[in-house]
Amino acid sequence: DIQMTQSPSSLSASVGDRVTITCRASQGINNYLAWFQQKPGKAPKSLISAASSLQSGVPSKFSGSGSGTDFTLTISSLQPEDFATYYCQQYNSSPFTFGGGTKVEIK
Amino acid sequence: QVQLVESGGGVVQPGGSLRLSCAASGITFSHSGMHWVRQAPGKGLEWVAFIRSDGTTQYYADSVKGRFTISRDNSKNTLYLQLNSLRPEDTAVYYCTIGIDYWGQGILVTVSS
Repeated sequence: DIQMTQSPSSLSASVGDRVTITCRASQGINNYLAWFQQKPGKAPKSLISAASSLQSGVPSKFSGSGSGTDFTLTISSLQPEDFATYYCQQYNSSPFTFGGGTKVEIK
Repeated sequence: QVQLVESGGGVVQPGGSLRLSCAASGITFSHSGMHWVRQAPGKGLEWVAFIRSDGTTQYYADSVKGRFTISRDNSKNTLYLQLNSLRPEDTAVYYCTIGIDYWGQGILVTVSS
């Protein structure tokens, strides 16, 4: 099984900060890597697919990069609505594992 | 727009069964692979099961293999998850998803005596 290690597990940041979250796969996943945003009490929302493709309607302040086993989600300028928990998921092979999540909190 | 609506959740005793449904609209359901994902209270996301668009192939997480069954009825645009031999650790909000793109609002399953 492919393990997905996400870091950090939480971070505190200020409005306007640039934020970077990393996700490492235990083996290559052919860039089949997605990022999701989840706010309390809500269903996750898809942000990025195929490591770097922005989903329709997602603001361009979100970007994804990486290849092989190491991937990154960047929020270029954090806004109040971006405070949430973020998850990565590999969908290269079953089981389609998620990272443990990164909670982005207000500093 | 794409809409996924889960139903069938509730409170069940350990060892009991439930069947979850997920009604899809706004998308060509028969062309879409579907997942169930769950989230225990205060915890992260856990992938549960996947079924191919034509229903011929299913995959399961080890934690549910042999107890849960994913299925679909393309004529009704509906996805199902049969949950048997339920355990307290199966307590979670269960989401259906279309690929990685769209999620339902989730349905709570509570396993408790």
